[in-house]
Amino acid sequence: SYDLTQPPSVSVSPGQTASITCSGDKLGNEYVSWYQQKAGQSPVVVIYQDNKRPSGIPERFSGSNSGNTATLTISGTQAMDEADYYCQSWDSGTGLFGGGTKLTVL
Amino acid sequence: EVQLVESGGGLVQPGGSLRLSCAASGFTFRDYWMSWVRQAPGKGLEWVANIRQDGNEKSYVDSVRGRFTISKDNAKNSLFLQMNSLRPEDTAVFYCARVERAFTYGRHLHYFDYWGQGTLVTVSS
Repeated sequence: SYDLTQPPSVSVSPGQTASITCSGDKLGNEYVSWYQQKAGQSPVVVIYQDNKRPSGIPERFSGSNSGNTATLTISGTQAMDEADYYCQSWDSGTGLFGGGTKLTVL
Repeated sequence: EVQLVESGGGLVQPGGSLRLSCAASGFTFRDYWMSWVRQAPGKGLEWVANIRQDGNEKSYVDSVRGRFTISKDNAKNSLFLQMNSLRPEDTAVFYCARVERAFTYGRHLHYFDYWGQGTLVTVSS
């Protein structure tokens, strides 16, 4: 398997756009999902299959996956979006998670 | 409503064993792959193990292979993780997660659509 690399932290002002990247050698070969984890809570999927939103996830969350990099974009970021975000994929029968990115809404 | 409720965590000495359980409800348990995912204190998520719907296909992360065994009882809507030869580095919150899988346009989709609340395993003397 291979590693998924995320920036440890991203900061954004309320109302602005936050972008969190996830890079990996074979990332474009499989679908990517993204999870939000708020302090003390279980993870919640916010994007699956690169760019699909589960029901109940706001439209401001979007995703893309091209080449070796996947990106989670949060448009019009709100204070409630402050959380840790993890990318996730699958390789040769093994689950992979990125190291996580702490999103701070200043 | 889908619910996953883990139990069985606790304090165990290095080299000891523990069996985690996950009670599932709100969906047809026998139709789904299931996984265990763990999170060490202050660290990120780590996939631990997967099991196929019928229980006959299993996979593990390298660090637990040979020590942990995942199983499921479809009659009792339950998922298990038998953990042997525990090490301090196994200390983590263990989550039970339902898996959604597909193979479309030549790519694998495998993600965790529902998670339990987690159970804490502490390995320490």
